Amino acid sequence: AQTVTQSQPEMSVQEAETVTLSCTYDTSENNYYLFWYKQPPSRQMILVIRQEAYKQQNATENRFSVNFQKAAKSFSLKISDSQLGDTAMYFCAFNGGATNKLIFGTGTLLAVQP
Amino acid sequence: DAGVIQSPRHEVTEMGQEVTLRCKPISGHNSLFWYRQTMMRGLELLIYFNNNVPIDDSGMPEDRFSAKMPNASFSTLKIQPSEPRDSAVYFCASSLAPQDSYTGELFFGEGSRLTVL
Repeated sequence: AQTVTQSQPEMSVQEAETVTLSCTYDTSENNYYLFWYKQPPSRQMILVIRQEAYKQQNATENRFSVNFQKAAKSFSLKISDSQLGDTAMYFCAFNGGATNKLIFGTGTLLAVQP
Repeated sequence: DAGVIQSPRHEVTEMGQEVTLRCKPISGHNSLFWYRQTMMRGLELLIYFNNNVPIDDSGMPEDRFSAKMPNASFSTLKIQPSEPRDSAVYFCASSLAPQDSYTGELFFGEGSRLTVL
């Protein structure tokens, strides 16, 4: 069975600083998708960034980037120049592709301090 | 374009009552998912449909829960009878099926917060 593990329940960062959120997963599949979703207090689930496992290049979206280590089954999220609006719960998620359901980690609550 | 639309946004009911949550997926999407979010258990997949057919309902907690998708633009999640432990936020999400222009991404509605007293 596929599993997603986020070992940091809470993190805090100063505004304008950089923070990295960790995620590991377990799967026997070779082709899959990985995601980071953001859930602010409004509870809306917002896609932050996506990575296809067959792509070696790490995905980047503005201030957000990932460090995808396929052999280690690691998928961390780096947020640069943190802003107050980045305060939210962040979920790592895995999609095996053949069955198109998302499996979520338990989340990391990120607080950006002014 | 309209996103995934869920109703109601908030529901407060008494134990034993029937609860029906509704979802309209994004037009053109042929996969639909129901998730439940609680502090204790996080985000759990309850059931998902491909082309209106239930594919995996292994996450449905018990017989009190049922889900239907009568057509491509509408789904319901029903709880009968409801219990206080059903209190949670219920999310509906939709996506393209893997054989289409697949990105793996799920698009979520705003969720329905259910409180059972």
